[in-house]
This record gives sequence, structure tokens and C-alpha cells, in this order.
Amino acid sequence: NAGVTQTPKFQVLKTGQSMTLQCAQDMNHNSMYWYRQDPGMGLRLIYYSASEGTTDKGEVPNGYNVSRLNKREFSLRLESAAPSQTSVYFCASSHPLEDRWDLGTQYFGPGTRLLVL
Amino acid sequence: DQQVKQNSPSLSVQEGRISILNCDYTNSMFDYFLWYKKYPAEGPTFLISISSIKDKNEDGRFTVFLNKSAKHLSLHIVPSQPGDSAVYFCAASGIQGGSEKLVFGKGMKLTVNP
Repeated sequence: NAGVTQTPKFQVLKTGQSMTLQCAQDMNHNSMYWYRQDPGMGLRLIYYSASEGTTDKGEVPNGYNVSRLNKREFSLRLESAAPSQTSVYFCASSHPLEDRWDLGTQYFGPGTRLLVL
Repeated sequence: DQQVKQNSPSLSVQEGRISILNCDYTNSMFDYFLWYKKYPAEGPTFLISISSIKDKNEDGRFTVFLNKSAKHLSLHIVPSQPGDSAVYFCAASGIQGGSEKLVFGKGMKLTVNP
């Protein structure tokens, strides 16, 4: 049981390049999330997917797109990278809502460090 | 507008002493509160939580207290150990659009000195 996995671990891009961050979970969770973490800013929600086939914007969605490929996988795409998107990106997944008070909540992957030059 | 606030960026304590981490929130709709722990180059890991119907939850050395009237929660670690040195994030949870949304504070770096 690997939990939440993310690829790549580290990436350097030039301004204007595109890339896709991959995320997969093997816990059979319905909901998945993408966050970014910047120094002094905590974690901010970019996009989330409540269930397979649905996606919604979070707090900072501009410059990103997402795809919920199936129940396991949730990808984040940067179409034209900008230096302001230099950050650490975390994917997370969560238990069904009815279990959240008993089982805790979101489980995070190890993160992808992205540097945009 | 910051809905979850951790006003102290860092805390340093001696091994064996108590660590108290504080968190304030502004949105009365939050019904579940969590603490996450994060080591460098790793993802945040869930530590302990408390629902809004309780005022205390304990798990080993970790206790979370919730004061709803003051919109304040705190995490107590007793006794503190060097392995507790990490960044701690407070988070508040609410349901929106059929999914749970977490709002995180900015984090606080705890250093436990041997």
C-alpha cells in the first residue's frame, strides 16, 4: 500500500514550457486535491476533485488545469509555466466524508519541487 | 483574508518540556480541526484532530484543545522529544461542494533541543 505517489520529485522548467504533474492513490479514496506550498504561505488549494469525473477550482487555480483520469489518478498541468509557479506541489486524497471524524482526513504525497526559470 | 492563523512562526523548547502550538480561526462554519506535521522534503502527515462537538482530544503525548467561543485551538506535546522537531500546520475543515475543504495556517517550526 503506497498511499499517495507523485511524479516527478523535482523538475526545472523554462518560462513558457508546459508540464504535467502526476498523482496516484491506492486507498480507494473518492476525493483528491492539489496544493501548492510557498514559504510563509502554508498550503493553498489549487484544484480538487470530489469524485471521478468532477473537478473544481480551489483558492489559486489560475495558470493550472487538472484531469481526474480515473478514481486513482489526478494530474495537474501547467500549460505555460511562469516563475511565479515555482513552488512545492502536493497531491492529497481523502476518506469519504462520513468517515472523516473517525479516520482523519487528507493524506498527502511526498511533493514535487518545481523551479521555473 | 486569512481564515486560519498561526501567529508564531517558530518555537524552541527543551527536550522533556511541554510544547504549546496555537491556532486561531475566523470562520464559524468550520466543524473539524486538524494538526499536520511536516518534515523537510516530505509531505504533511496527519497528527491529530478534533471535531467541533468536543473540547479536547488526546492521543499519547499529543493533546488538542478547542475553544469554540474564542475560535482558538492549541496543540500540546508532552513531553517534547527531538524527533518532534518539524513544521506544524493547523487546518480547519468544512464541507463545500460535496467535498471536504481544508484551510491551512502558515505553519510553525518547532525545534526541540536535546
